[in-house]
Amino acid sequence: NAGVTQTPKFQVLKTGQSMTLQCAQDMNHEYMSWYRQDPGMGLRLIHYSVGAGITDQGEVPNGYNVSRSTTEDFPLRLLSAAPSQTSVYFCASSPENRALYTGELFFGEGSRLTVL
Amino acid sequence: SQKIEQNSEALNIQEGKTATLTCNYTNYSPAYLQWYRQDPGRGPVFLLLIRENEKEKRKERLKVTFDTTLKQSLFHITASQPADSATYLCALVRAGNNRKLIWGLGTSLAVNP
Repeated sequence: NAGVTQTPKFQVLKTGQSMTLQCAQDMNHEYMSWYRQDPGMGLRLIHYSVGAGITDQGEVPNGYNVSRSTTEDFPLRLLSAAPSQTSVYFCASSPENRALYTGELFFGEGSRLTVL
Repeated sequence: SQKIEQNSEALNIQEGKTATLTCNYTNYSPAYLQWYRQDPGRGPVFLLLIRENEKEKRKERLKVTFDTTLKQSLFHITASQPADSATYLCALVRAGNNRKLIWGLGTSLAVNP
């Protein structure tokens, strides 16, 4: 099992550009989520999904879109990049939506995004 | 709003000693509290979970305690090794309808040989 795979690992964008961060998991997890991690702010939830076809907003969803067409994939789209979106992004999954309550999260290695 | 506080200063200890990290929370009582390890440039890795009705949980050299009166969880690493050097994150899940993870900023631990 590869676990949770994120691509790309590094990306530099100019303000206004759009891009998609990819996330795939091969553990058949129902729950998937995107976090951003910034110094002094900790991990903040952007969007999450409790199953294919179902997505919901986290605490910092503005400027980001997600979709969940399959159990395995949960891409994060930046619509029009801004310098405030410079961050490290983590995708995380969990076996079932009990992740909202108890379950451990399996994280990817992160995608470091810089917006100039 | 719910808040988690972890030691902001890095913790430096000698190899073989016990490292103790603190996680304090305010306001609401968490239903569950999780501990993760994060190495530089890597994603967090789950270590232990403790429920509100549990006082202590152990896994190999790791021990977590949960004191709902003090609103505090302590994370202990016994017989620490340089390989234990990392940042340790605490995350809580609130009891009630809004059961989302709330994360601390983490404490950096350095174990010196």
